[in-house]
Amino acid sequence: DAKTTQPPSMDCAEGRAANLPCNHSTISGNEYVYWYRQIHSQGPQYIIHGLKNNETNEMASLIITEDRKSSTLILPHATLRDTAVYYCIVRMDSSYKLIFGSGTRLLVRP
Amino acid sequence: DGGITQSPKYLFRKEGQNVTLSCEQNLNHDAMYWYRQDPGQGLRLIYYSQIVNDFQKGDIAEGYSVSREKKESFPLTVTSAQKNPTAFYLCASSIALEGFREQFFGPGTRLTVL
Repeated sequence: DAKTTQPPSMDCAEGRAANLPCNHSTISGNEYVYWYRQIHSQGPQYIIHGLKNNETNEMASLIITEDRKSSTLILPHATLRDTAVYYCIVRMDSSYKLIFGSGTRLLVRP
Repeated sequence: DGGITQSPKYLFRKEGQNVTLSCEQNLNHDAMYWYRQDPGQGLRLIYYSQIVNDFQKGDIAEGYSVSREKKESFPLTVTSAQKNPTAFYLCASSIALEGFREQFFGPGTRLTVL
């Protein structure tokens, strides 16, 4: 079973920030938070990951709360191509497993 | 360009037939994986392989078989014992079984059993 909880769907307007929440209240100290996304009928794509500190890359920002029980993925300027299912996953560095829940279906509106 | 290829993209088979899905990677990755995805659901792990000539069952291995004779290739056979084979199948690879930043996924094969 997935160790994360995400809203089933969200939407945002093109050009605006998309903020996707994830709850991982049972995360352990050595588990990372990963985000992947899956555009319709394609394979998932890695976006970003983090342990404690906030992270930013060319695709997105990841904000992890101080108690690490939740996080938010931020797409700063959403485009229509960002419409996808976003998966929040917790994983230990020593584990091969990516446990995918049902994710959040993000719809970016024109 | 480096990546993972899966073929074919769509596959149709009659019930009771075995079918083999292809997965090839040129990323020089040691670890490879097969996942199954049903509509509206997340991915579930079928089999994984840490290295050539080694593979392990994942969470839903019943009715499936794999081989890993070459580093680049990890074919999946869906046997007639698999009760609900119609699904979207995804192959992935990572540099190793542990300590990787990301798994790289192929484009998937959509299998329909008639």
